[in-house]
Amino acid sequence: EAQVTQNPRYLITVTGKKLTVTCSQNMNHEYMSWYRQDPGLGLRQIYYSMNVEVTDKGDVPEGYKVSRKEKRNFPLILESPSPNQTSLYFCASSRKYQETQYFGPGTRLLVL
Amino acid sequence: AQKITQTQPGMFVQEKEAVTLDCTYDTSDQSYGLFWYKQPSSGEMIFLIYQGSYDEQNATEGRYSLNFQKARKSANLVISASQLGDSAMYFCAILYNINKFYFGSGTKLNVKP
Repeated sequence: EAQVTQNPRYLITVTGKKLTVTCSQNMNHEYMSWYRQDPGLGLRQIYYSMNVEVTDKGDVPEGYKVSRKEKRNFPLILESPSPNQTSLYFCASSRKYQETQYFGPGTRLLVL
Repeated sequence: AQKITQTQPGMFVQEKEAVTLDCTYDTSDQSYGLFWYKQPSSGEMIFLIYQGSYDEQNATEGRYSLNFQKARKSANLVISASQLGDSAMYFCAILYNINKFYFGSGTKLNVKP
């Protein structure tokens, strides 16, 4: 089944404790992206990747890191999480950047 | 600067009636893409419809159509014959600057029986 998977789906952590949210797609998509969703703000793009080893900042990259060592994986790293990073995070992928994105199920993060 | 605007935080529609969800955008690019997504209460993001800036015909996908008015920079979603399962958040999004996506703040649609 073609899909985008994210893990974990739910995470509670404390300020400053490094964490990684994994994202994997099995559709051989070139374009992958991370978003955060906050009430009243819609989705905001954090980082995106056009292909392996090609990543760039989106609208709200501060406090986040990404890497794209393999085509299928695009992990989101929070080196030192803070409470303002409490949010719902989505990973998405598309065959090419200009095509429809397919979203993962979301990861709900709470930073205490 | 705000790139994409959805002015209706919430809307009600009677089952079986049509409803229009508004979306306006701001870009000086000539080439861009417009998307609509549905987010039910379960949280997943579901792609509904796509319109390219050079497409002359309005996009349609089943009961969904996109009323694209390029000069007015609007890309309204029309849902015909609303169903109870259409109750959800709806997001408009624009792809421009080659590879950046911007989403609107969403419209919560409630379909009344």
